[in-house]
Amino acid sequence: NAGVTQTPKFQVLKTGQSMTLQCAQDMNHNSMYWYRQDPGMGLRLIYYSASEGTTDKGEVPNGYNVSRLNKREFSLRLESAAPSQTSVYFCASKALKGYTFGSGTRLTVV
Amino acid sequence: DAKTTQPNSMESNEEEPVHLPCNHSTISGTDYIHWYRQLPSQGPEYVIHGLTSNVNNRMASLAIAEDRKSSTLILHRATLRDAAVYYCILTSGGTSGTYKYIFGTGTRLKVLA
Repeated sequence: NAGVTQTPKFQVLKTGQSMTLQCAQDMNHNSMYWYRQDPGMGLRLIYYSASEGTTDKGEVPNGYNVSRLNKREFSLRLESAAPSQTSVYFCASKALKGYTFGSGTRLTVV
Repeated sequence: DAKTTQPNSMESNEEEPVHLPCNHSTISGTDYIHWYRQLPSQGPEYVIHGLTSNVNNRMASLAIAEDRKSSTLILHRATLRDAAVYYCILTSGGTSGTYKYIFGTGTRLKVLA
């Protein structure tokens, strides 16, 4: 019963490098989400996907792209990382009563 | 999007009840009230949600004001494991019908032994 799995758990990037954060859920949920959380702040929505094949922007989409590869997987890509993207990234999927979150990816851009 | 207002922090003694308030004066008639909590170094976890009536589950109770402009999360007996940041969130359906949670900064609950 894995729930929502995020990889990697930690990552350090140099400014300008690219990387993809992976997220997979095994609960057959239609909707999936990517959030970022900066120190001492609440979570902010980056992108979401209501169903396979659809994606929409959230509050803070600039600098990110997403892919809903299939029903299980929703990836977040940073094309050219910037120090302002240093954050903890959470993926979530939605059930009837609420969200299930992953344990997060802690990303540092130097 | 409807917003919520919560105190930045609260303290409670272990084994005592805790009442965490949330104001949402601009709530719309179809908005659900959700509560999540975030333990240190973890993702948020669902606690409870409701629309108009008070709700109970094994983790907590949710008391919703009659005019729905405020609500209170009640932890009946706080334990050290309940120390977390608690978020009160209103759903925002948007045109897609998908609920998009808008998080505030939450209430940091400290439980004293």
